Amino acid sequence: DQQVKQNSPSLSVQEGRISILNCDYTNSMFDYFLWYKKYPAEGPTFLISISSIKDKNEDGRFTVFLNKSAKHLSLHIVPSQPGDSAVYFCAAAEAAGNNRKLIWGLGTSLAVNP
Amino acid sequence: DTGVSQDPRHKITKRGQNVTFRCDPISEHNRLYWYRQTLGQGPEFLTYFQNEAQLEKSRLLSDRFSAERPKGSFSTLEIQRTEQGDSAMYLCASSPRQVFTEAFFGQGTRLTVV
Repeated sequence: DQQVKQNSPSLSVQEGRISILNCDYTNSMFDYFLWYKKYPAEGPTFLISISSIKDKNEDGRFTVFLNKSAKHLSLHIVPSQPGDSAVYFCAAAEAAGNNRKLIWGLGTSLAVNP
Repeated sequence: DTGVSQDPRHKITKRGQNVTFRCDPISEHNRLYWYRQTLGQGPEFLTYFQNEAQLEKSRLLSDRFSAERPKGSFSTLEIQRTEQGDSAMYLCASSPRQVFTEAFFGQGTRLTVV
């Protein structure tokens, strides 16, 4: 039972355009969400996060949007750069105040073409 | 390098052998986590420590697996009587006491059981 779902295994965009990566979740107890980026042969690197009390968080080229009623979040990368090519994982923290572990999606492989 | 380091990076072992992995977290981080990632999957939580105390273990962690963090610094993960299904990337992460959700990951140990 996948509580965090990334339904697109891969995404390809042109350099300079917007990349939109989507994530859906089923557990209404999740209250903190994170995006990680992973290059081959490296561990995941934290990218951006959002608390459930917000609907948007922005950090440079990266913006995360949260729609609680739809249990959906998305990561926007604008403008996309070739160095953004990586696997992006959506993760959710389980239980407010007891967030000892993250539940991860399967990842979306992003390819940004020059 | 002051990040999370894991040793070895790669390990190939025969089925039935024991293996041990080491993780050195960022020095001021109290929390240390072990995750396992198989091909095409997101990381799955295995266990976590706060200082030297092991506070939670996933049911994924069978009795062949044991993890320690004897002095609240580095940690080891041992797998006894390895099986082919143990083949995976084993990721270690550490985080500051109050900022779990922004854990820093090591590069992982890739285990192949033949």
